[in-house]
Amino acid sequence: ILNVEQSPQSLHVQEGDSTNFTCSFPSSNFYALHWYRWETAKSPEALFVMTLNGDEKKKGRISATLNTKEGYSYLYIKGSQPEDSATYLCAYNTDKLIFGTGTRLQVFP
Amino acid sequence: SAVISQKPSRDICQRGTSLTIQCQVDSQVTMMFWYRQQPGQSLTLIATANQGSEATYESGFVIDKFPISRPNLTFSTLTVSNMSPEDSSIYLCSVRTGTGANVLTFGAGSRLTVL
Repeated sequence: ILNVEQSPQSLHVQEGDSTNFTCSFPSSNFYALHWYRWETAKSPEALFVMTLNGDEKKKGRISATLNTKEGYSYLYIKGSQPEDSATYLCAYNTDKLIFGTGTRLQVFP
Repeated sequence: SAVISQKPSRDICQRGTSLTIQCQVDSQVTMMFWYRQQPGQSLTLIATANQGSEATYESGFVIDKFPISRPNLTFSTLTVSNMSPEDSSIYLCSVRTGTGANVLTFGAGSRLTVL
């Protein structure tokens, strides 16, 4: 059974703080790793798809790194804002997506 | 990418009843995917719905419990049958965005609470 783990489960930060969280996945037979943002009452939205070891992707204040050899990816948010409050999901791509349970981020003004 | 309309957005259901969730896509797609997220759990694929053929169910999910229809290339329904409190979940439909590597576009989800 493929296991995708995310930590921490939840995170509370003050506006302006930078934060990061982790996704761990099987390091063998790697194809791609996805990050999604899921705001309450909205659709999950794709942030990044990462395929190469050492990949770094950036979208505004959000960035992600990938280490396929050790099986982890980090998501960073610089200068968190209340609108960043959401659940961040990673998904390991085999023939289908295997999702982690997510990190729930709350940013307080 | 595709725009997906899903309804109902939420519902409260009685034990033993069935509920059908509808998913409408604004473009034609070959495959539609139905996911479930139980409280505290990960998003889990229930089945893949292909137009013109029976849905393909993942391990642990069966057609009698989650019958799926796919009458055309823009629409699908998922029925949750004979519901119990364990079926309280968010159900989402999704399609591939076409940008490669299985990137998905999701509906906003249907939050079901079974009493």
